[in-house]
Amino acid sequence: AQSVAQPEDQVNVAEGNPLTVKCTYSVSGNPYLFWYVQYPNRGLQFLLKYITGDNLVKGSYGFEAEFNKSQTSFHLKKPSALVSDSALYFCAVRGLGGGFKTIFGAGTRLFVKA
Amino acid sequence: KAGVTQTPRYLIKTRGQQVTLSCSPISGHRSVSWYQQTPGQGLQFLFEYFSETQRNKGNFPGRFSGRQFSNSRSEMNVSTLELGDSALYLCASSLVEGAATEAFFGQGTRLTVV
Repeated sequence: AQSVAQPEDQVNVAEGNPLTVKCTYSVSGNPYLFWYVQYPNRGLQFLLKYITGDNLVKGSYGFEAEFNKSQTSFHLKKPSALVSDSALYFCAVRGLGGGFKTIFGAGTRLFVKA
Repeated sequence: KAGVTQTPRYLIKTRGQQVTLSCSPISGHRSVSWYQQTPGQGLQFLFEYFSETQRNKGNFPGRFSGRQFSNSRSEMNVSTLELGDSALYLCASSLVEGAATEAFFGQGTRLTVV
């Protein structure tokens, strides 16, 4: 069975500092991993995905994510946080073991303080 | 290019009633999936449709049903509403069905059951 864990309910970071939002996964076969962001009263927006290849994936708004197969992790990172990055971030996995349904983590709320 | 459109945006219903939510995917997208988002349970997968066929279903009671039309538009129906059905219902569309495909989300329908 597929599962995704986001161990932190909330991450606080000062503007200009690097940020990391953690995600670990469990899936049968090759993982297809995604990060989405949700701003207040909005739907989710796609940030980036890992399918295969380079372990460092670059996405929208300066975000990147590092895939680590041995640690089954897919942490979201950004070198310099902005106040406007404050939002709810979801890690998600799609795997062939469970059909094509997407399983989302519980979400991590990111607060960036000016 | 228009995004995913969900109607209505807000809905208030009484316990025991039924409700139908509508989703128009991005033009050309053939896969539509539905999610329920609540503060306590996070994002829960409801079902996914591709070419008018339900491809996958989450762990929800039979009161929750859906369908997809030939133009890829989708509806979901909830019968005999319960207070616990109050949630944000999100629809997402994808170009194809594959596991590597990211989803594009609508702004959701906020359902309140009183």
